[in-house]
Amino acid sequence: NAGVTQTPKFQVLKTGQSMTLQCAQDMNHEYMSWYRQDPGMGLRLIHYSVGAGITDQGEVPNGYNVSRSTTEDFPLRLLSAAPSQTSVYFCASSYRGGVPQHFGDGTRLSIL
Amino acid sequence: SQQGEEDPQALSIQEGENATMNCSYKTSINNLQWYRQNSGRGLVHLILIRSNEREKHSGRLRVTLDTSKKSSSLLITASRAADTASYFCATDAGDYKLSFGAGTTVTVRA
Repeated sequence: NAGVTQTPKFQVLKTGQSMTLQCAQDMNHEYMSWYRQDPGMGLRLIHYSVGAGITDQGEVPNGYNVSRSTTEDFPLRLLSAAPSQTSVYFCASSYRGGVPQHFGDGTRLSIL
Repeated sequence: SQQGEEDPQALSIQEGENATMNCSYKTSINNLQWYRQNSGRGLVHLILIRSNEREKHSGRLRVTLDTSKKSSSLLITASRAADTASYFCATDAGDYKLSFGAGTTVTVRA
């Protein structure tokens, strides 16, 4: 039982490049979410999903895309990376919204 | 915008002392949750308190909730070096979106 697995753990991109952050959970959770964490600002919700095929925007969705084709996976796509997207990204899951979430260990992303 | 705000931003205590941190929020909530984050790791859930509860205990943790003041506190008793971490409150308003505060960094000195 691995919980929530995020890959890669570290990534450096150049401005304008695109990439996909992977998130997988093996707990059969319906609810999954992506957050970014910046110094002194806590976590901010980017996108979330309440089940396969259903996604919605959070607080800071611009520049990011998500899809949920399976219960297990919830990838986050950066369409055209910008330095302002330098951050630590966390994926989380729970059996439904509003209950305690299980977090992955994060992806540390630097955009030059 | 972020719902919760923790106070203080940072706290340094001696091993064995108690640590208290506070969280204030702005709108009505279904529940409030506290999480811990060790350096370089993801968040770990500590305790959840529902809007109709006033106090909850879990081991050395005690959480209070005052919905009239829109505030919560987390008390860690008899602190240990392993309690060194950042602590975050998160509010659930029933809209599938947890809103996190900026956190309190706790350092426990040996």
